[in-house]
Amino acid sequence: EAGVTQFPSHSVIEKGQTVTLRCDPISGHDNLYWYRRVMGKEIKFLLHFVKESKQDESGMPNNRFLAERTGGTYSTLKVQPAELEDSGVYFCASSQGRDPLRNEQFFGPGTRLTVL
Amino acid sequence: DAKTTQPPSMDCAEGRAANLPCNHSTISGNEYVYWYRQIHSQGPQYIIHGLKNNETNEMASLIITEDRKSSTLILPHATLRDTAVYYCIVLWGFSGGYNKLIFGAGTRLAVHP
Repeated sequence: EAGVTQFPSHSVIEKGQTVTLRCDPISGHDNLYWYRRVMGKEIKFLLHFVKESKQDESGMPNNRFLAERTGGTYSTLKVQPAELEDSGVYFCASSQGRDPLRNEQFFGPGTRLTVL
Repeated sequence: DAKTTQPPSMDCAEGRAANLPCNHSTISGNEYVYWYRQIHSQGPQYIIHGLKNNETNEMASLIITEDRKSSTLILPHATLRDTAVYYCIVLWGFSGGYNKLIFGAGTRLAVHP
């Protein structure tokens, strides 16, 4: 079974540019999460999709960040315009569903974003 | 969600058991204890979770005290590949699949030859 995949693995952009990160969850997983770790900080939750709907976007830092999950499959996270403080590693995770005994989240390898 | 307290770092000799403690004194009855780890440059990895009974899987064992205020993750025979940051996270288990993970600083486990 394929795991969670993320693309690209690395991205280096100039301040003010736009970057789009993609996440493909494990097939059949309704729940998709985005997290990020910025330099020297702890991993922080950004938002949660249930299928194509945003369940919780309380962790999104500001309106420069836009997440979508059209069709309830893969998700994209767009940063526009990127700022220096957006540099970090962005993780995507997915989980199966509503069974509390099967709620473990499976993480992708992350996308390392560097804003110069 | 209940907060957790973990030691910042621990050492373990290869082949020995690694016992990682976690305090979660404000845990409520419906909250599960989850453990994840992050090996350098990888995404976090699920290890194990439990409610009140001890649990074991192919990776580790989880011992939860009777009052559920603390737990211990046990790696029975640590290897160099187990060097990672280990996170103890408490989650409400009956939330309909909603599991926002709140990562603390975790415990940095160093396994040495």
